[in-house]
Amino acid sequence: DTAVSQTPKYLVTQMGNDKSIKCEQNLGHDTMYWYKQDSKKFLKIMFSYNNKELIINETVPNRFSPKSPDKAHLNLHINSLELGDSAVYFCASSQVRSGSRTDTQYFGPGTRLTVL
Amino acid sequence: AQSVAQPEDQVNVAEGNPLTVKCTYSVSGNPYLFWYVQYPNRGLQFLLKYITGDNLVKGSYGFEAEFNKSQTSFHLKKPSALVSDSALYFCAVRPYGGSQGNLIFGKGTKLSVKP
Repeated sequence: DTAVSQTPKYLVTQMGNDKSIKCEQNLGHDTMYWYKQDSKKFLKIMFSYNNKELIINETVPNRFSPKSPDKAHLNLHINSLELGDSAVYFCASSQVRSGSRTDTQYFGPGTRLTVL
Repeated sequence: AQSVAQPEDQVNVAEGNPLTVKCTYSVSGNPYLFWYVQYPNRGLQFLLKYITGDNLVKGSYGFEAEFNKSQTSFHLKKPSALVSDSALYFCAVRPYGGSQGNLIFGKGTKLSVKP
C-alpha cells in the first residue's frame, strides 16, 4: 500500500547506456515530479507534469525525458548516461487544485543511480 | 530569485533538550513553506507546512515551526529532542505563480541528537 513507489531502488550502469526509472503513485494525485539529489544532498526539481502540462527545468539535459503512460505513472528515461548523472532520483506526487498552492508533495523512496 | 537558506550544515543537540533548525526564505508573493525529513537511505517524509493563518504550525513527531514574516523565517522546533530525530531536514518553498507546484529546497541541515 505504498503511496509513491519507484523501481529500481539501485541502478548501476556503464557510461553511454540508456536506462529508465519507474514511478507509480496510488494517491490519485494529478501531478507528478522528478527531483535529483546530488552527492551533497542538494535537491533540485527536474520535471513537473500533469495531464495537461509538462514543465521542464531548463538546466536538465535533453538526454532526460519523462514519460507518463497514465495519471498514476511518471517514468524517467535517460539516454547516453554520463558520470555526472550519478545521483539519487526522487519521484513525488501531489494534488494541485486549481488556484491553490497548498498541496503537499509525497515522495518515493528514491533510486540511487551509479554510472561507471 | 526565489530561494531558501538553511544556514547550518549541522545541528548537535543532547537528547531531551530543545532543538531548532533554522530556515529563511526569499520569495515574491505569499510564501508556502514546508519542512521535510530524510532518514538515511530513505525518501523524504513530510513534517509540516505553513499556508496561512496561525504562525505556529504543528506537525508530525512533535515538531512545530514558526512563521515569521518580518524576519522571513520558518524555523523548525521541538521541545525535547529524541535520538531517533537524528536525520537530514529540508526546508522548502513553493514559488509564486506557475501552474504547478514544484518545491525549491534548502541545502538541508543534518540534525544529530546524542544520548
